[in-house]
Amino acid sequence: DIQMTQSPSSVSASVGDRVTITCRASQGVSSWLAWYQQKPGKAPKFLIDGASSLQSGVPSKFNGSGSGTDFTLTISSLQPEDFATYYCQQANSLPLTFGGGTKVEIK
Amino acid sequence: EVQLVESGGGLVQPGGSLRLSCEASGFTFSNYWMHWVRQAPGKGLVWVSRINDDGSTWYADSVKGRFTISRDNAKNTVYLEMNSLRAEDTAVYFCARAYCTSCQNYFGPWGQGTLVTVSS
Repeated sequence: DIQMTQSPSSVSASVGDRVTITCRASQGVSSWLAWYQQKPGKAPKFLIDGASSLQSGVPSKFNGSGSGTDFTLTISSLQPEDFATYYCQQANSLPLTFGGGTKVEIK
Repeated sequence: EVQLVESGGGLVQPGGSLRLSCEASGFTFSNYWMHWVRQAPGKGLVWVSRINDDGSTWYADSVKGRFTISRDNAKNTVYLEMNSLRAEDTAVYFCARAYCTSCQNYFGPWGQGTLVTVSS
């Protein structure tokens, strides 16, 4: 199984800050990587596929990059609606696996 | 508008069974792979199972042999039959549609989730 390791597990930031979340795969997944945003009590929302392709309607302040084993999600100019938990997920092989999540909290 | 609506969750005793349903609308259901993903209270997301458009099925090791995924294209519904339930199966269960027909291992639209609690 491919293990996905996210860091940090939580980060405190202020409105307007820029936050970077990293995701490392235990083996190469090419660009088969997605990012999701989840708010408390809600279903996850699909943000990015192919490591860097934003879904329709997702603001450009979200930026994904990387390939192989190392990936990043950067959120620029944090707004109140961006405070949530973010998950990476590899789509390269079964079983499909998620990172442990990064909770972005308000400082 | 794509909609996925889960049902069937509830409280069940260890060793018991439950069947979850996920009714889909707003897209051609038969064209898409469908997934179940679960989330234990306060924990992260875990993929559970997938059913392809041709009916092929895959499972996480933790549920293999106990859970069965199936689909009824006439009813636009995917099911998750859960047997021999354990306390560690307690979670919110989400159904999710594959994002696209050429990228079916991404989770596009999600349902709202249904809570399964396994406890005596």
